Amino acid sequence: QVQLMQSGAVVRKPGASVKVSCKASGYTFTSYYMHWVRQAPGQGLEWMGIINPRGGGTSHAQNFQDRITMARDTSTSTVYMELYSLRSEDTAVYYCARGGIYSGNYSPFDYWGQGTLVSVSS
Amino acid sequence: EIVLTQSPGTLSLSPGDRATLSCRASQTLTSGYLAWYQQKPGQAPRLLIYDASTRATAIPDRFSGSGSGTDFTLTISRLEPEDIAVYYCQHYGSSRQTFGQGTRVEIK
Repeated sequence: QVQLMQSGAVVRKPGASVKVSCKASGYTFTSYYMHWVRQAPGQGLEWMGIINPRGGGTSHAQNFQDRITMARDTSTSTVYMELYSLRSEDTAVYYCARGGIYSGNYSPFDYWGQGTLVSVSS
Repeated sequence: EIVLTQSPGTLSLSPGDRATLSCRASQTLTSGYLAWYQQKPGQAPRLLIYDASTRATAIPDRFSGSGSGTDFTLTISRLEPEDIAVYYCQHYGSSRQTFGQGTRVEIK
């Protein structure tokens, strides 16, 4: 069965960076794009970016200009999202989600990771 | 960028009621690439509907989606207690994905 297993909760100070991992299993890793979505406490869903596990190409939302990096390791079927220059407003649960209904980059998200809480506090 | 506006913000209904949730897009979604998700407290979202009206795998048939252009609707035909959640619409037909702000469904 398809599973997306994310790394555990972390605490960071303002100005630091955080790297969240998402290990995929149960399907061919390179066949479907992976997205990152975050949710601040009590707030809605915010799309952050997309990575193509096959070629490694990425695209991200304008809100994260120059602050986000996404990468993948095909040998371990893992995608990574790193966010830099953290501020208190980055406190949120971060999700990876598979764009799995269609194999292109325009697909709804059929499987989600369990979420990783990133807390930014001095 | 396409903006999705959901209404109402909160829906208070009794078990067995019909729930109608709206999602309005700021531009016509010519592709029909509109999805609905359900999110219960402490859980990740779950895909309910995609392509505006196609039920995802294992979703009960009391959930249905409709609409085109700029106006889309999620209908829960007979509300069950386990349907208490926040529902989000999403446009996935561009390189910049967007979500609506959500509609909370609660039991009266």
